Amino acid sequence: EVQLVESGGDLIQPGGSLRLSCAASGFAVSNNYMSWVRQAPGRGLEWLSVIYSGGSTYYADSVKGRFTISRDNSKNTLYLQMNSLRAEDTAVYYCARHSSGYYWFDYWGQGTLVTVSS
Amino acid sequence: DIQMTQSPSSLSASVGDRVTITCRASQNIISYLNWYQQNPGKAPKLLMYSASTLQSGVPSRFSGSGSGTDFTLTISSLQPEDFATYYCQQSYSIPYTFGQGTKLEIK
Repeated sequence: EVQLVESGGDLIQPGGSLRLSCAASGFAVSNNYMSWVRQAPGRGLEWLSVIYSGGSTYYADSVKGRFTISRDNSKNTLYLQMNSLRAEDTAVYYCARHSSGYYWFDYWGQGTLVTVSS
Repeated sequence: DIQMTQSPSSLSASVGDRVTITCRASQNIISYLNWYQQNPGKAPKLLMYSASTLQSGVPSRFSGSGSGTDFTLTISSLQPEDFATYYCQQSYSIPYTFGQGTKLEIK
């Protein structure tokens, strides 16, 4: 059974850093495209970043230069390193698996809440 | 970036109604259009991909159509569990943008 479990969300001050984790089971993150998507309170979905199976990474302009996506194949875990956090980064962060070789998301984690506030 | 615009933003309907949600892309995305359902406090769930292909396990009362810039999601006969928020998403190019969502409420 495919499962994605995010962790690492917290209350953090503006300018701070945080690393989110997404532990996968039932498949290998190394063999799939994986994305991070966030949802600010009461708002819609915003795609943030993708890492392809070959290792290429891409980012939305809103997080480029501040966020870094990565994975640890030995731990079967996806990460999102978030630096220079701003109040507008407050959101629930989801990791999502792309359907094999495609660009839609067939499995999602339950989300982890990041609150950026002083 | 490709902008995705859904209409309406909210919709009131009754159990058994047929409803249609529209999604328009700011440029031609061929059929690279996907639909998700989200219940409050839950993660989104994939309903449809490539504009008209039903994800495994999704009831057949859901259908999708369209190509180019204009797409629709239709629910043929609303069930109580269908009252949720629906999002379209383009997978034609990065960034993979979503529509703003359509909240389907019980009348």
